[in-house]
Amino acid sequence: QVQLVQSGAEVKKPGASVKVSCTFSGHTLTESSIHWVRQAPGKGLEWMGGLDPEDGEAMYAQRFQGRVTMTGDTSTNTVYMELSSLRSEDTAMYYCASDINSGWDFDSWGQGTLVTVSP
Amino acid sequence: SYVLTQPPSASVAPGKTARITCGGSNIGAKTVHWYQQRPGQAPALVIYYDSDRPSGIPDRFSAANSGNTATLTISRVEAGDEADYYCQVWDRSSDHVVFGGGTKLTVL
Repeated sequence: QVQLVQSGAEVKKPGASVKVSCTFSGHTLTESSIHWVRQAPGKGLEWMGGLDPEDGEAMYAQRFQGRVTMTGDTSTNTVYMELSSLRSEDTAMYYCASDINSGWDFDSWGQGTLVTVSP
Repeated sequence: SYVLTQPPSASVAPGKTARITCGGSNIGAKTVHWYQQRPGQAPALVIYYDSDRPSGIPDRFSAANSGNTATLTISRVEAGDEADYYCQVWDRSSDHVVFGGGTKLTVL
C-alpha cells in the first residue's frame, strides 16, 4: 500500500518561494509517477504537473511553466515541488498523488500542505 | 485546452440513486477517473479506467463513459457519500491532466 506524507504548512510573503516535500512508501520513485495537484480555498482541483519515473523528467502544466520545479530523490523516496514568485492567488492546499498504474489515475494522495501567501 | 463540465451540485435522498455527469468533447474516446473528496480530506480515487473500482470501494459506485458524457452512479446512497466528486482525464493533445470543476453531492 502506497503512503504519501507531506511536509507541514507554510506561510510565505509575496514574491518568495516555497518548497513542499512528499515522502512515499510502499513503492519506489521509479515504479510510480508522482503528481502535484492544488486546491484554492473553496475551489476545485488543479493539476500542476508531475515526475515521469522512466526518465526522471518533470512535466508541468502550462500555466505554471517557469514558476514550478519538481524533483525527486530516489535515495529517500521523496519528491519536491518548488513554486516561486508567490502571489496571493497561490494560497491553496497542495497535494501530491501517485500514479502506480501509469494510467494517469491518482491512486493515493498525500494529506495536503497548506501554503498561505500573505504580506 | 480540453474542458470537462460538471454540474456544481446534486442532491439525493438516502437509499436513492445519484448520477453525476461529466461532459467533454468526445470524452468517450478518453479514459475517465473519478474522485471523492469529503470535507477537510484529501481526494480519493473511487473509479478508474472509466468503470473499475479500487479495492475497498463498494459496488454501489459505478460509472460509464460514452460519446460526450461520462457518468458516475452511486446506488443506495448513504449519508457518508456526501462529498465533492471530480472527474479527470489525461488530454493527449496537450499532454495535460484535466479535472472537472467538481459536483457537490448533498444527501437530503
